[in-house]
Amino acid sequence: DGGITQSPKYLFRKEGQNVTLSCEQNLNHDAMYWYRQDPGQGLRLIYYSQIVNDFQKGDIAEGYSVSREKKESFPLTVTSAQKNPTAFYLCASGVREIQPQHFGDGTRLSIL
Amino acid sequence: RKEVEQDPGPFNVPEGATVAFNCTYSNSASQSFFWYRQDCRKEPKLLMSVYSSGNEDGRFTAQLNRASQYISLLIRDSKLSDSATYLCVVNTDTGRRALTFGSGTRLQVQP
Repeated sequence: DGGITQSPKYLFRKEGQNVTLSCEQNLNHDAMYWYRQDPGQGLRLIYYSQIVNDFQKGDIAEGYSVSREKKESFPLTVTSAQKNPTAFYLCASGVREIQPQHFGDGTRLSIL
Repeated sequence: RKEVEQDPGPFNVPEGATVAFNCTYSNSASQSFFWYRQDCRKEPKLLMSVYSSGNEDGRFTAQLNRASQYISLLIRDSKLSDSATYLCVVNTDTGRRALTFGSGTRLQVQP
């Protein structure tokens, strides 16, 4: 089945630690996106990539980093510079920016 | 002004009711419009695209008004299972090649 796989489902971060969230898609989509959602809030764009080896900052990129070395994969690293990382992180992919996006089932990150 | 604005609700309606949500967008050059549904603690899922002429999918009807820059979603004969948050999504065409999500309107259908 085609889809987007995010892992892990739950993640705990210690102070000063970097953690990496995985996102893999087998939909052959060029574009991939990372969003953050806080409780009761909308989605905020962290980073996006329209093509392999290229990515752009979204609205809240500070404290996060990404890479896009393969079409299928778009991992997100939450660095220690992100002081309030507790949130629901959603990865999405799409054919191009004017087409609908499909989401993975998310990773919940909490601070230990 | 936010790029995409929605009334957060909640809209509390009885089963069988008809309910409508509106969403306004700021960029007149926007090309693509969608409604997504998000259940509590789950990922958003595409409900329907919104076309210029309006479109229907079963009990759901979406309309686009380019002149007034708003889109609407009408749900007829509400079911308990329709309870969710409905997200308005627009390609705002501001040079950022990504869709912009509204904050969502929460619907609670009651028995």
